[in-house]
Amino acid sequence: AQKITQTQPGMFVQEKEAVTLDCTYDTSDQSYGLFWYKQPSSGEMIFLIYQGSYDEQNATEGRYSLNFQKARKSANLVISASQLGDSAMYFCAMRETYNFNKFYFGSGTKLNVKP
Amino acid sequence: DGGITQSPKYLFRKEGQNVTLSCEQNLNHDAMYWYRQDPGQGLRLIYYSQIVNDFQKGDIAEGYSVSREKKESFPLTVTSAQKNPTAFYLCASISRGLAGALFGNEQFFGPGTRLTVL
Repeated sequence: AQKITQTQPGMFVQEKEAVTLDCTYDTSDQSYGLFWYKQPSSGEMIFLIYQGSYDEQNATEGRYSLNFQKARKSANLVISASQLGDSAMYFCAMRETYNFNKFYFGSGTKLNVKP
Repeated sequence: DGGITQSPKYLFRKEGQNVTLSCEQNLNHDAMYWYRQDPGQGLRLIYYSQIVNDFQKGDIAEGYSVSREKKESFPLTVTSAQKNPTAFYLCASISRGLAGALFGNEQFFGPGTRLTVL
């Protein structure tokens, strides 16, 4: 079974609007971490935001927020006020307690911001 | 500045040749990783190493080999046994810590190497 599932291969959003990128995960651990990365066309991986499984509040970092629904095992990324520079691939990732130093990545979502 | 360097940025190889991709970090991180990324796809784990002189196979280790003789270096060799090696290769590292205490540490990535087999 896939550990991380991103069901949106591609998304379009109008500049200045908000967009939600979906991520669901599969784990039997009680303690785990969820991450989002951005990958521009240059290929570098840029860390955006982290959510711990025991964190009661949704994580926020500037225009990025993580909509964490533990019971549904979802960790959606919300980008507010989209900018042209947000056009990139976005990856969701998970780290479990059982194999603490192994990260699982989803297949990614290609976001295109339209002017 | 602390970070991860990968060299070369672009690499061309003839079929049947082995080639080694370099990954160096000066972040004093314990764990290091190699990922492969095909066009439009996600990251797949090739190998990872949690400490010096130790490494584990990831999901697609066949046709690849690694070594970890020094903490700061984790070279990846793509052997002739790898049938389709053309891809983008990313190296990453993380500070190994106690679960719960440093669980939120993210992986730091290098800029990547694009390997093309001619």
